[in-house]
Amino acid sequence: DGGITQSPKYLFRKEGQNVTLSCEQNLNHDAMYWYRQDPGQGLRLIYYSQIVNDFQKGDIAEGYSVSREKKESFPLTVTSAQKNPTAFYLCASSRGQGVKNIQYFGAGTRLSVL
Amino acid sequence: ILNVEQSPQSLHVQEGDSTNFTCSFPSSNFYALHWYRWETAKSPEALFVMTLNGDEKKKGRISATLNTKEGYSYLYIKGSQPEDSATYLCAFQAAGNKLTFGGGTRVLVKP
Repeated sequence: DGGITQSPKYLFRKEGQNVTLSCEQNLNHDAMYWYRQDPGQGLRLIYYSQIVNDFQKGDIAEGYSVSREKKESFPLTVTSAQKNPTAFYLCASSRGQGVKNIQYFGAGTRLSVL
Repeated sequence: ILNVEQSPQSLHVQEGDSTNFTCSFPSSNFYALHWYRWETAKSPEALFVMTLNGDEKKKGRISATLNTKEGYSYLYIKGSQPEDSATYLCAFQAAGNKLTFGGGTRVLVKP
């Protein structure tokens, strides 16, 4: 089955702790994305990567970090600098080329602060 | 940050009724407009990608139109069924691969 796998489904963070959300895809897509959703709001772009070993900040990158060492993987670290991390996080991937940049999404990770 | 707005935020529809809702986006630097359906406890799934002014797309009972000159798109559901209950997201794509999403329209179809 081709798709995007996010883990864990639920995650709890203590004050001052860094936590890492996993995102793996087997669609052979070049581009990967991280979004955050807050209640009543749309998806906001945190970071994206169009190719291995390269990534760019999205609209709300502060307090987050990413890496793209492998094509299949794009983990997101929520650092202690992110003061309001409670949200639903979605990872997506796309071919990344051409007009029809259709994105395929994982099932999401819900992060809460203890 | 680009402004993409959807209205209404939510709507209740009686089974069998038709409905429509709006996505507004910048009319400049347009590349594509995407519609996604997001059912509860599932991942968002692409419905349509539209690129040309006047484009119309259809998938079953769901269709969409595009007006790039005035910066809006309508999504229509004809003869709503309970399985149409979902949040419908639109996303604006300027040149490049980034999508800017609207806040979504949450549709609840009542039997």
